[in-house]
Amino acid sequence: EVQLVQSGAEVKKPGESLKISCKGSGYSFTSYWIGWVRQMPGKGLEWMGIIYPGDSDTRYSPSFQGQVTISADKSISTAYLQWSSLKASDTAMYYCALGRYGDNYYFDYWGQGTLVTVSS
Amino acid sequence: EIVLTQSPATLSLSPGERATLSCRASQSVSSYLAWYQQKPGQAPRLLIYDASNRATGIPARFSGSGSGTDFTLTISSLEPEDFAVYYCQQRRTFGQGTKVEIK
Repeated sequence: EVQLVQSGAEVKKPGESLKISCKGSGYSFTSYWIGWVRQMPGKGLEWMGIIYPGDSDTRYSPSFQGQVTISADKSISTAYLQWSSLKASDTAMYYCALGRYGDNYYFDYWGQGTLVTVSS
Repeated sequence: EIVLTQSPATLSLSPGERATLSCRASQSVSSYLAWYQQKPGQAPRLLIYDASNRATGIPARFSGSGSGTDFTLTISSLEPEDFAVYYCQQRRTFGQGTKVEIK
C-alpha cells in the first residue's frame, strides 16, 4: 500500500528555521516525483516544488524559489521541505504528494498534511 | 507561467443534479490537465488526469473533457459525498477552485 506520512504540526516564531518531512512507503521511492503543496488558511492549493529522489532533480515554482528548500534522503525514503527564516505568512498546511505520471506532475497519493503555525 | 481560471467560484446544486465545472488555461496545455477533489480537513484526491482519464477507484459519475485551453469536469448525478471543492491543475499551476455546495 502506497503511503506518505508527514511529520507533526509545528508552532514556530518568526525568524526561526524549520524542516518538515514526508516518508514514503509501498512503492519505489527513487522512481517517482514527490511534490510539496501549500494551502493557506481558507485558501486554495499552491504548487511549491518537486523533487525526483532518484537523482535529486528539484524544480521550484517561481513564487517559492529562494524561499524554501526541497530535499530528499533516499536511504530513508524521506523528502523534506525547509525554511531558514520563517515569516508569519508561512502559516499554512503543507502537503507532500506523489507524482507517478512523469513530468505532468499529477499527484495520485497525498500525505496527511503538516500544519505550520508561525506566530510571535 | 500558465494561469488556470476556474468557474464558477461556487456552484449551488441539489443531490441528483448534474454539475458542470470549467477550467480555462491562459495558453494551450494540450490534454495535460488534472482535476482534484478536496473535502474539509482532508488532503486533495486525484479524480481525472490527462483531461479525461479517471484515476484509480474514481466513480464513473465523474468525467472530464476538453483540450487546448478549455476543460470541463462533469459530475453526472451529485451524491451527498460529492459536495466539496474541486481544483484543476496543469503541471506547476492549480486553479483557484470551485466549491460545489448543497442548495
